[in-house]
Amino acid sequence: QITLKESGPTLLKPTQTLTLTCTFSGFSLSTSAVGVGWIRQPPRKALEWLALIYWDDDKRYSPSLKSRLTITKDTSKNQVVLTMTNMDPVDTATYYCAHWPSGYLYFDLWGRGTVVTVSS
Amino acid sequence: QSVLTQPPSASGTPGQRVTISCSGSSSNIGRNTVNWYQQFPGTAPKLLIYSNNQRPSGVPDRFSGSKSGTSASLAISGLQSEDEADYSCAAWDDSLNGVVFGGGTELTVL
Repeated sequence: QITLKESGPTLLKPTQTLTLTCTFSGFSLSTSAVGVGWIRQPPRKALEWLALIYWDDDKRYSPSLKSRLTITKDTSKNQVVLTMTNMDPVDTATYYCAHWPSGYLYFDLWGRGTVVTVSS
Repeated sequence: QSVLTQPPSASGTPGQRVTISCSGSSSNIGRNTVNWYQQFPGTAPKLLIYSNNQRPSGVPDRFSGSKSGTSASLAISGLQSEDEADYSCAAWDDSLNGVVFGGGTELTVL
């Protein structure tokens, strides 16, 4: 059974750096073509893809946020970490991590999400 | 502004058939498969349809998906009150080299 859980700060001040951790179980990020990604959703707004890291450490970023994002993995700990620099109130959102199955082009299982608020 | 375009709202009465559209371009829907997510308030999205028209285990066959050219549709037949939720489409975009989502459609069961 695959599960994912996001963790990190709930409140940040503008210009601070956000660090979120996705801890997962039920699969390994050393399995060929598997990945873990991050998606966010501002209140009452659409889903927005942020980043994706594959089993072989290949990484993809949203072009509009690429300069602010870094995604890394620790296979031994079953964790994926996303950092986003220079946070702004418009970055207030629920942040989700999700499983990217091997050989497909979609996120099939998602964590419950973590709410991040950016406010001075 | 989402890359994929969906109507912001849709509605139907119990038992009716409702369709939700998703419009994209040649770099996303035109080249790659479309996926649909169902999301209830305060909860994470759940995969409803993948690879245009495939249902994950446990998803009722009342839900179906289709794709033609650069557009896709989600159909819900025999509408039920528990289908009231937000529905979002998604696809891989070859130009952006990443996932793109639709703006989401809020479905109301009257």
